[in-house]
Amino acid sequence: SYVLTQPPSVSVAPGKTARITCGGNNIGSKSVHWYQQKPGQAPVLVIYYDSDRPSGIPERFSGSNSGNTATLTISRVEAGDEADYYCQVWDSSSDHHYVFGTGTKVTVL
Amino acid sequence: QVQLVQSGSELKKPGASVKVSCKASGYTFTSYAMNWVRQAPGQGLEWMGWINTNTGNPTYAQGFTGRFVFSLDTSVSTAYLQISSLKAEDTAVYYCARAGFGEGWFDPWGQGTLVTVSS
Repeated sequence: SYVLTQPPSVSVAPGKTARITCGGNNIGSKSVHWYQQKPGQAPVLVIYYDSDRPSGIPERFSGSNSGNTATLTISRVEAGDEADYYCQVWDSSSDHHYVFGTGTKVTVL
Repeated sequence: QVQLVQSGSELKKPGASVKVSCKASGYTFTSYAMNWVRQAPGQGLEWMGWINTNTGNPTYAQGFTGRFVFSLDTSVSTAYLQISSLKAEDTAVYYCARAGFGEGWFDPWGQGTLVTVSS
């Protein structure tokens, strides 16, 4: 089955840039979506189709996808960005049609 | 606005069954698929499968066959997840999430339903 690998944690100072990677075999050929999950809350879509932002999501959130790595970038990080982030793809080649990444905890220092 | 509202927390004994509901509003229920996602305590997101809201045909991910059943009541725009023969390892938050048919993303999500299995 298709595997998406994320770093367990990323730490960043307020005002700086956080980059969260999502590794998968030839992930650049797939569409990647990203979710933010704060403690005790349901996930929220922050990026879809690699780099599109849903309405209401700040421009500080951006995404890219190429080769074997997709990246979620959070610019000018704020305390409220502290959360778990998950990448997700649809993989038609396996029983797990939808696959989530392992998740990354973003800590704002 | 588009919204998914799930039923409340459940405490069940091992071997019992539970049925979680997910009521949709703000959109045409049969225009989107409904997915189910499990999150065990302190763990990541795990896709359980989806149900075609037009045909009622469910698709289960590996590891979620047998004891897990997805169903619908389109007259009230509600999807259901039933788990039978509950085990302690079924303790988790269960989310419903809307997605397009086929490749796509999940938006929105229900608020989640905590199912606790304990004797």
